[in-house]
Amino acid sequence: RKEVEQDPGPFNVPEGATVAFNCTYSNSASQSFFWYRQDCRKEPKLLMSVYSSGNEDGRFTAQLNRASQYISLLIRDSKLSDSATYLCVVSKRRQLTFGSGTQLTVLP
Amino acid sequence: DTAVSQTPKYLVTQMGNDKSIKCEQNLGHDTMYWYKQDSKKFLKIMFSYNNKELIINETVPNRFSPKSPDKAHLNLHINSLELGDSAVYFCASSLEGGYTFGSGTRLTVV
Repeated sequence: RKEVEQDPGPFNVPEGATVAFNCTYSNSASQSFFWYRQDCRKEPKLLMSVYSSGNEDGRFTAQLNRASQYISLLIRDSKLSDSATYLCVVSKRRQLTFGSGTQLTVLP
Repeated sequence: DTAVSQTPKYLVTQMGNDKSIKCEQNLGHDTMYWYKQDSKKFLKIMFSYNNKELIINETVPNRFSPKSPDKAHLNLHINSLELGDSAVYFCASSLEGGYTFGSGTRLTVV
């Protein structure tokens, strides 16, 4: 079983749609949680950290449920520029473990 | 003003050759990493160095040898390259959890 599991997609959505990504992790000792974004042929970049209380950054909302070891990302009013691969990432003692990513394409 | 820089950006080489990829960070981070992203886009850690000392060494063939001359540099040397080594290799650095990735080295073994 992979340490971090994500639905690979692809998700193809129209502009303005709301899209949700889910992720589960297997190591209950994981300490920190993140969503990264990776554009084609580019390096991963931090989108946002994820906290149990839930956190929002503009159109992006992330949520962590430690009991069920589940992480989510919600993108509202999606833009063409949101097209990318979204990586669910967990960290323990500064080592990042990546999910395989969910590919999102926002269509005009 | 590149924060984490890797060279070369592209590397095409024949099977059996030995090659090196260099990485430098100017962020003052104390930990550096090498990650491999294969054709299925799965990013997996290979090595981690903290203040020039190896702290993570995942199961990679011993043909791969990291070298950290100082805490701003972490180079990756690969001996006897194989077709399966073709991938994108990302260097990264961190300080107290904040990670920065280099732009990657696309290695193609032919």
